[in-house]
Amino acid sequence: NAGVMQNPRHLVRRRGQEARLRCSPMKGHSHVYWYRQLPEEGLKFMVYLQKENIIDESGMPKERFSAEFPKEGPSILRIQQVVRGDSAAYFCASSPPTNSGNTIYFGEGSWLTVV
Amino acid sequence: GESVGLHLPTLSVQEGDNSIINCAYSNSASDYFIWYKQESGKGPQFIIDIRSNMDKRQGQRVTVLLNKTVKHLSLQIAATQPGDSAVYFCAETLMNSGYSTLTFGKGTMLLVSP
Repeated sequence: NAGVMQNPRHLVRRRGQEARLRCSPMKGHSHVYWYRQLPEEGLKFMVYLQKENIIDESGMPKERFSAEFPKEGPSILRIQQVVRGDSAAYFCASSPPTNSGNTIYFGEGSWLTVV
Repeated sequence: GESVGLHLPTLSVQEGDNSIINCAYSNSASDYFIWYKQESGKGPQFIIDIRSNMDKRQGQRVTVLLNKTVKHLSLQIAATQPGDSAVYFCAETLMNSGYSTLTFGKGTMLLVSP
């Protein structure tokens, strides 16, 4: 997971503020996934993106959450009007264009704390 | 709904012992399974995987066993070391979905005493 870069690693926001989490996939990877991990829970799928396209957002909350993966630059997970329940670790993963299962690499995560 | 779950939340072993971490899955359509190790404050690290057409796969000090009849997956770690202390997650996916959306279990914490 050394190549997937996430920032910030830790973010503190007050209720009602916006949180922006960034993810740069591994070089050569065009598929990006976002997962959320609540304390003492497993990771839950949120969204899968390719460049400029959201392919599967079945795990995204319907409100306040959005994701993008522009042609240039990192993928962004945006959480508007954060609430305490948004406090979690958010992990980004990437994979190359060819789906071969174990070639999904995770970043080190962004820990969001809402106070 | 379909889910992936683990039987034991915490497993404590002595250094040098063999460890076995279990996982139950309920989605019979899943055809690819992965074990991840997650250390505190870090992202999931791939350990070993297995496809549904296999019963067993071995890696370095680790073995994954798949029993499709009872939908059970296990991770065996030989000669457990303190550095193996972490939370272990099993994950399942459907390879022919065109991309790999993983469904994770809750995790088992492995504590290795010296």
